[in-house]
Amino acid sequence: GENVEQHPSTLSVQEGDSAVIKCTYSDSASNYFPWYKQELGKGPQLIIDIRSNVGEKKDQRIAVTLNKTAKHFSLHITETQPEDSAVYFCAAKGSWGKLQFGAGTQVVVTP
Amino acid sequence: KAGVTQTPRYLIKTRGQQVTLSCSPISGHRSVSWYQQTPGQGLQFLFEYFSETQRNKGNFPGRFSGRQFSNSRSEMNVSTLELGDSALYLCASSPGGAGANVLTFGAGSRLTVL
Repeated sequence: GENVEQHPSTLSVQEGDSAVIKCTYSDSASNYFPWYKQELGKGPQLIIDIRSNVGEKKDQRIAVTLNKTAKHFSLHITETQPEDSAVYFCAAKGSWGKLQFGAGTQVVVTP
Repeated sequence: KAGVTQTPRYLIKTRGQQVTLSCSPISGHRSVSWYQQTPGQGLQFLFEYFSETQRNKGNFPGRFSGRQFSNSRSEMNVSTLELGDSALYLCASSPGGAGANVLTFGAGSRLTVL
């Protein structure tokens, strides 16, 4: 089945700086790669996703890049703000049809 | 429109008991997936239901079961509870079909097993 690795596990950034989270996946047939943000006491919320026929996607301060050859994808957050502090999960949908999640990255934005 | 609703939000059980968790998907969504979230294992897929049929299943013992009703509401049951079953159980719904990839999660049911 699909295996997704996510790095780093924790990320501390100064407000206004950029944050980058990286994920690798194992199933070359994976075709859908969402990113979720989970705040304390809440369920994960989809923030951006990308499909395998696209290399990059941007939504305001958030962007995701996908390298199918290397089987890795990344989340980029620019001009970080305190409200960006949360746990971020990457995921990949493999040939088995179910989403496999990474272990999560705790992002802390310090003023 | 209303999001995914999970009940109860918190519950405490003792070892050996059983528990039933409920999930009401977004109106019109026909697919419901369940995940177990723990600090050590992250988000682990339990099962997915679509139109009352189990479409996919994760690597959990038979003590974990689920079902989906004709109105798309879903329940999951855990029997003979163990300490290691303490976790946040998350339900997610999706439209099914072309939009099947996009999951919307509920806030979860926090289960503590003593």
